[in-house]
This record gives sequence, structure tokens and C-alpha cells, in this order.
Amino acid sequence: SAVISQKPSRDICQRGTSLTIQCQVDSQVTMMFWYRQQPGQSLTLIATANQGSEATYESGFVIDKFPISRPNLTFSTLTVSNLSPEDSSIYLCSVGDAANSPLHFGNGTRLTVT
Amino acid sequence: SQQGEEDPQALSIQEGENATMNCSYKTSINNLQWYRQNSGRGLVHLILIRSNEREKHSGRLRVTLDTSKKSSSLLITASRAADTASYFCATPQSGSARQLTFGSGTQLTVLP
Repeated sequence: SAVISQKPSRDICQRGTSLTIQCQVDSQVTMMFWYRQQPGQSLTLIATANQGSEATYESGFVIDKFPISRPNLTFSTLTVSNLSPEDSSIYLCSVGDAANSPLHFGNGTRLTVT
Repeated sequence: SQQGEEDPQALSIQEGENATMNCSYKTSINNLQWYRQNSGRGLVHLILIRSNEREKHSGRLRVTLDTSKKSSSLLITASRAADTASYFCATPQSGSARQLTFGSGTQLTVLP
């Protein structure tokens, strides 16, 4: 199964700034997924990062707020822009080996916006 | 939107007891998965059950699936303090075999 390194593990950012989260996988994967987990809540899919094409965003999430890069098959970044306290969440990247198979998750990035 | 709803939201038991968590979902699925999350960390996959399976075991875990009722349950037998975590069910997102929609989760506390 894939090993995922995500960083930073946590950060405290000021309102109005941006945070870029990196996700590195130890094998080539077609799709990488970015999830948000607000405090005490479940996971919500933000977008699917596809190599060689633009990310696909879920309803309620826009590229201007959550730009994503996917320069190759082992790496992706998620930027959370123009931060507000409502963006305080855990952000998780994940990959799946194949359709209808389990997802593997990074350890998440805990973001606090002050 | 959440595909799955789980109950209870929180469960507190003594070490050695069994813990049962339930998950209901809305649309037809070809598999259902259970994950564990320890105190805000990444999720760890526990077990996947396919729509043509009714029951599956993995160590102290037992998962059932009732597609007619669109529900699943996760049973942890002989619980340990280390089982304290949040447990989530997840189903493939409509129209996608890779993207998952997660349930609301059950926070399990096992008291020593």
C-alpha cells in the first residue's frame, strides 16, 4: 500500500494569508484526493487532483480559494488562500490504488487561523 | 453531502466489552468501507465489504452489510483502550469508483 507524507503537520496562520500543503506519495498514482475535516466533523472531499489536467472540484469548493497543483504522479499541493478562521480544519490528502479499493491517507495538516 | 449517517455519535464502554457502530447510506453501492481515525490524525482503512457479501471478519472486527436496508454495522469484540478513536463508514461517491463519501462518524471511548 502507498505511503503518503504530508507536510506541514500543523500550522498557525494569520487571517488573509495562505498556506500550501504538500503531499508526497512513494509510488505513482493516477488520482490524489484532498479532504477537509472541520472540527468535530466528518471528511468532505474538496477536489480530485489529476496529473496533466486541472483538478476537479466538488460543489462548494472553488479553484480561487483552493488552488491545486499536480506536477507529476507522486506529488500534489493544496493551497488554502485568503485564510479566515472558518478555514481552521484538518486537511488530508489520500490516494487509492484502484477503483473500488481502500484509500490511503496522509497524517493530515491541522490548520489554525487566527 | 454526507452519504452515510452513523450512530451512535459517541459510545463509551469498558475495556473487554464489545462495541457496535451502525452506518446507514442512501444510494446503491458496490462496496462499503470502515476507517479509524486516532485523535485528528489520518484515517486508517479497517475493512472493505462488497455488496455481494453479508459479513466479513478481520481479527476482532466484524462487519455486516444489509443492502436491502442500506445499512452496515461494525462490531469490535473484546475492546481495548487502544481502540479509542473515531470510526467512519465510507461509500463510493455516486458516479465514481474511487472517490469516497464519509459518514458522520462514531467517537468510541474505551475506558481501562
